[in-house]
Amino acid sequence: LAKTTQPISMDSYEGQEVNITCSHNNIATNDYITWYQQFPSQGPRFIIQGYKTKVKNEVASLFIPADRKSSTLSLPRVSLSDTAVYYCLVGLPITGTASKLTFGTGTRLQVTL
Amino acid sequence: DTGVSQDPRHKITKRGQNVTFRCDPISEHNRLYWYRQTLGQGPEFLTYFQNEAQLEKSRLLSDRFSAERPKGSFSTLEIQRTEQGDSAMYLCASSFLTGLEDTQYFGPGTRLTVL
Repeated sequence: LAKTTQPISMDSYEGQEVNITCSHNNIATNDYITWYQQFPSQGPRFIIQGYKTKVKNEVASLFIPADRKSSTLSLPRVSLSDTAVYYCLVGLPITGTASKLTFGTGTRLQVTL
Repeated sequence: DTGVSQDPRHKITKRGQNVTFRCDPISEHNRLYWYRQTLGQGPEFLTYFQNEAQLEKSRLLSDRFSAERPKGSFSTLEIQRTEQGDSAMYLCASSFLTGLEDTQYFGPGTRLTVL
């Protein structure tokens, strides 16, 4: 079971870069790593997904080391609106393994002025 | 809006009543997932469908829970004889499996309160 561990909370000032790391020591060969953002009373919103090395899109970067036992979500120049809970999800539901999809408890990011 | 939609957004019911939630996935997505999320926790997998076939159910899922996706499009999640412990946010997600990539997109959720 690809259990994930994230810091419970992080604080940042507006305009700073924020890096959130997720540990997933038992990641399986075919598992992808996906990060989501969630605001109160809303469903998680997809941010970025990767398998290995580095992935970048218009809102974030994802760094995955060669052993894939961890991953780091990087948010450049955060704003107040980035205050949310961030989850990493590890796993790919090839038939019979969906129950192994694991969200951690998430990291609560608080951005202030 | 072509995202995942869920109905109702909120449901208050009395213990022992049955409730049914609906999820409309993104058009042409072949996979549909149901999750449950309680306060302060990450989403917990319940079940998922590929097209109309229910491929897996969580072992934690009580027999009081049943889900269907009759035509491979929308899905319903029914909870029979609700209990106070069923109070949670029920999330639906859909995806289109291509090779090994399966990015899930979530709906806004249905918040259930059992009195």
